[in-house]
Amino acid sequence: GAGVSQSPSNKVTEKGKDVELRCDPISGHTALYWYRQSLGQGLEFLIYFQGNSAPDKSGLPSDRFSAERTGGSVSTLTIQRTQQEDSAVYLCASSPRRASYEQYFGPGTRLTVT
Amino acid sequence: AQKITQTQPGMFVQEKEAVTLDCTYDTSDPSYGLFWYKQPSSGEMIFLIYQGSYDQQNATEGRYSLNFQKARKSANLVISASQLGDSAMYFCAMREGRTDKLIFGTGTRLQVFP
Repeated sequence: GAGVSQSPSNKVTEKGKDVELRCDPISGHTALYWYRQSLGQGLEFLIYFQGNSAPDKSGLPSDRFSAERTGGSVSTLTIQRTQQEDSAVYLCASSPRRASYEQYFGPGTRLTVT
Repeated sequence: AQKITQTQPGMFVQEKEAVTLDCTYDTSDPSYGLFWYKQPSSGEMIFLIYQGSYDQQNATEGRYSLNFQKARKSANLVISASQLGDSAMYFCAMREGRTDKLIFGTGTRLQVFP
């Protein structure tokens, strides 16, 4: 079946612009996660959704970052007034339920802020 | 405090040999899970193996096994009979029982040579 998909695969934007990154989880998966991977670094947790609710937003680095999930499916991560330090690969993962050991990752969106 | 530590930035192994990738962790939660992921140059994160803190036996998945030493707080990944396709970044991660997010180490780059 279809895996986690993310769009766009690559995004180049100018400093100060807003960007939206999209994640389509595996159908039926109730849990959805966003992570960020900066160059040469491990993954950094951003936010977790269970259904449409976000019980854990502790990883969002600033109020320029926000995310929503609608219909218990698609999620959008929005970064306002982008900065060069926002350049990274943004990865989305989904799980069939919370606290499952199965977290399936998408291919990521590579964001470059110039 | 860093919760997941991978001290080997890079490792080399000859094809068909076994290799151990180190991972130590720190938590005060008695309930936790430990994960290993593989990230090839294509960028996708591939789940390899999982070990729960209450599991009595070390986890195994094909050529992958997790050497879980609870008292030492280590969760090393052992890859037997290395293959050229095993060349990739390997990340150790932990989930504490009361949260849903994964905390990742900085990774080890494994290179398998003929």
